[in-house]
Amino acid sequence: EVQLVESGGALVKPGGSLRLSCTATGFTFTNAWMSWVRQAPGKGLEWVGRIKSKADGETNDYFGPVNGRFTISRDDSTKTIYLHMSRLLMEDTAVYYCATDWSGLAADMPMAVFDVWGRGTLVTVAS
Amino acid sequence: DIQMTQSPSSLSASVGDTVTITCRAGHSVGTDLNWYQQKRGQAPKLLIYRASRLRTGVPSRFSGGGSGTDFTLRINSLQAEDFATYYCQQSHLIPLTFGGGTAVEIK
Repeated sequence: EVQLVESGGALVKPGGSLRLSCTATGFTFTNAWMSWVRQAPGKGLEWVGRIKSKADGETNDYFGPVNGRFTISRDDSTKTIYLHMSRLLMEDTAVYYCATDWSGLAADMPMAVFDVWGRGTLVTVAS
Repeated sequence: DIQMTQSPSSLSASVGDTVTITCRAGHSVGTDLNWYQQKRGQAPKLLIYRASRLRTGVPSRFSGGGSGTDFTLRINSLQAEDFATYYCQQSHLIPLTFGGGTAVEIK
């Protein structure tokens, strides 16, 4: 079964740090590009950033307001991506979803289409 | 950044109705436009990619169209399970951006 499972969400104080994890099953993870998408309470969806596969350079792209504060990494041996968040702000409060950015599961699906999603993990930034 | 504007922000409809949601991009995105459905308390689900391609397993009452800056999502014969919020997303340029969402509510 194709699945993504996030973990690591917590209550953290402004200025603090947190690391989220997302573990994949059911597809060839080493080839996959992966993204994080967040949703503040009662609000819409907001892309946070992505990591490409090792074969494509394992490089990152980020949404402006998190650039320099958030870092996405991956461990292909455990089929896991991470979202390292630092200097957290109250406006970073959201459910954080990981999603496939490209998985190879559909032959004609291009990059940057979020085909598979996890259930999300809640990050609350409050004093 | 490419701004994505959806309209309406919400609509009320009855089972069996046909509804159309529009999405406008602030800059041409070709056909790099995707649609998602999100039910309350759940993760989003991909419905349509490349403006008009139905994801495997999505009912054929969903259809998408458009190119450039103007796109539509159409739901024919609305079913009870279709009451949800719908988002468009451009995959043309980084940063990837979503529309603000359209909530489809029961009349």
